[in-house]
Amino acid sequence: ETGVTQTPRHLVMGMTNKKSLKCEQHLGHNAMYWYKQSAKKPLELMFVYSLEERVENNSVPSRFSPECPNSSHLFLHLHTLQPEDSALYLCASSQDLRDTQYFGPGTRLTVL
Amino acid sequence: GIQVEQSPPDLILQEGANSTLRCNFSDSVNNLQWFHQNPWGQLINLFYIPSGTKQNGRLSATTVATERYSLLYISSSQTTDSGVYFCAVPYNQGGKLIFGQGTELSVKP
Repeated sequence: ETGVTQTPRHLVMGMTNKKSLKCEQHLGHNAMYWYKQSAKKPLELMFVYSLEERVENNSVPSRFSPECPNSSHLFLHLHTLQPEDSALYLCASSQDLRDTQYFGPGTRLTVL
Repeated sequence: GIQVEQSPPDLILQEGANSTLRCNFSDSVNNLQWFHQNPWGQLINLFYIPSGTKQNGRLSATTVATERYSLLYISSSQTTDSGVYFCAVPYNQGGKLIFGQGTELSVKP
């Protein structure tokens, strides 16, 4: 599915770096999501935005900072990460909060 | 909160075999989704199925909401069916999905 794109696909960063993950959806959806998937584990919801407003914050450490400038774009700003933050970060979108969620290909993040 | 359990955790099949994956959930839900995560990490929507039965090619799914389970059937499996299958149910009206632990399927040629 190419309706939701994510960049970069792979990222290696040191603990002192600052980087950003980008998600873009071309489906005209109103809701966007960030999920974290650690190795061999199910997805964990991090953030939910609906109409550019954050509606869910799942007790995520402040070293992860989301930004939703418009309904088509979602960013995840990263700073001072830890090695245990290494994971696959998936973005999703849906028409509204109760509708089917469609996922991007993910960014595989490695923190050294 | 709602609990989602999938079985079996792992499954190895010979190409051409059929299989049934199960998803149990602990509370009533108004929708349920099945996903396939391929070996590269991409999550692909299979079914949005709050109740009843749906079919899409070699795959079909049935959800019995009153008994709090859903089944995913894979017929005539192919090597490209390999990956992890997740079911997910909504936690609240705010878009939060609770995922099961997944069933890791490996189809051998």
